[in-house]
This record gives sequence, C-alpha cells and structure tokens, in this order.
Amino acid sequence: EAGVTQFPSHSVIEKGQTVTLRCDPISGHDNLYWYRRVMGKEIKFLLHFVKESKQDESGMPNNRFLAERTGGTYSTLKVQPAELEDSGVYFCASSRGQGPLQETQYFGPGTRLLVL
Amino acid sequence: AQSVTQLGSHVSVSEGALVLLRCNYSSSVPPYLFWYVQYPNQGLQLLLKYTSAATLVKGINGFEAEFKKSETSFHLTKPSAHMSDAAEYFCAVTVTDSWGKLQFGAGTQVVVTP
Repeated sequence: EAGVTQFPSHSVIEKGQTVTLRCDPISGHDNLYWYRRVMGKEIKFLLHFVKESKQDESGMPNNRFLAERTGGTYSTLKVQPAELEDSGVYFCASSRGQGPLQETQYFGPGTRLLVL
Repeated sequence: AQSVTQLGSHVSVSEGALVLLRCNYSSSVPPYLFWYVQYPNQGLQLLLKYTSAATLVKGINGFEAEFKKSETSFHLTKPSAHMSDAAEYFCAVTVTDSWGKLQFGAGTQVVVTP
C-alpha cells in the first residue's frame, strides 16, 4: 500500500509568486489534513477535509491560502501571493476514519517551501 | 484549549543507554496523547498513542510511554538506545471535540553517540 505522497518535495519561490502544493492520501482514506512547521516552531494544524468537504479550517493563517480537494481524492494547497513568513515545511496526513480511537494519521514526507 | 510542552529541544544519549523524552500536556478535558517520530527525509510515523485505556502504552521499536494524570505528563522511554533511534520526536495531543486536530510540541532531536 502506497503511503501519503506530496509534491514537490522542495520549492523555492520569490515573494509575491504563487505556489501550489499537492498531497495524495492513502487510497480509501476519507480524511485529509494539512499541517505546517515554520522553522524553529512546532507543527501547526491548518485544516481537515472529510472527503471533499472542509471539516475544520481554523488553522489557515489568512486568505492567501486556499485548499481544495475536488472529488475527495488528492488535495492542493495554494499560496498566493507568497510571503517570507510562509516558508516552512508543509505536511499532509490522511486517515481512514475520524478520531484518535479509530484511526491513526499517516503523514507524508512534507514539502519544504522557501520564499525569498 | 490544549497544548503540549516538550522539555529539551536536543537530547544526546549514548548507545545502550536509557532514552527519556519528556512531554507535559495541558487540557481541560481528557486528552488523547501521541508520540510521533520523524527520521531524516521521511514523514512523521506514529510510535504510540494513549486513548484512555491502559496508562502504560507500548509502541513500536521498543518505546513506551506512561500517562500520569497527576503530573500531566506523557514521557517517552526506551531502555536501551540504538543508533537507529536518532531522529526527531514529537509529542501531540487532541481532544474529543476537535477530531483530527493534533496539537504538537516543538519536537526533540535525539542524537545517539557510540
């Protein structure tokens, strides 16, 4: 069974540009999560999809970030326009069900974003 | 609101020695607690989780953690460190009314010396 995959693994862009990150969850996993780790800080929750619906987007920093999950399969996270403080590692995770009693979140390797 | 604090951003341990990574949590409702590990260039992997069953939780690779409500702690231990344990370790918490929203500690980088 393939794990969670993320693309690209690294991205270097200039301030003001647009970047789109992609996450492919484990097949059959309805729940998909985005997290971010800014350098030197803890990993922070961004949002949670159940199939194609946003269950919780309370961690999205501002309206420069747009997450989609059309068709309930892969997800994209677009940053437009990118700012210096958006630099960090963006992790995606997926789980079959919801809740810690039921399902583990499986994490991808992350996308390392550097905004210059 | 809930949170976790990991004491020590870097820990150095000799091969064969005890590994002890500290995690304290804060939560107004019963928490669910996790330890994840991240090896270089890989995603986070679940080591173990506490879900209000047994307070002593055994995980993969010889790790275990004990939930102590009186101390609000969930420290991670391994009796004998191996070189392959070198990685970054994260403690995380969630609660029943925020399914899936893991809150992580800042992480502890473990270095194992021969």
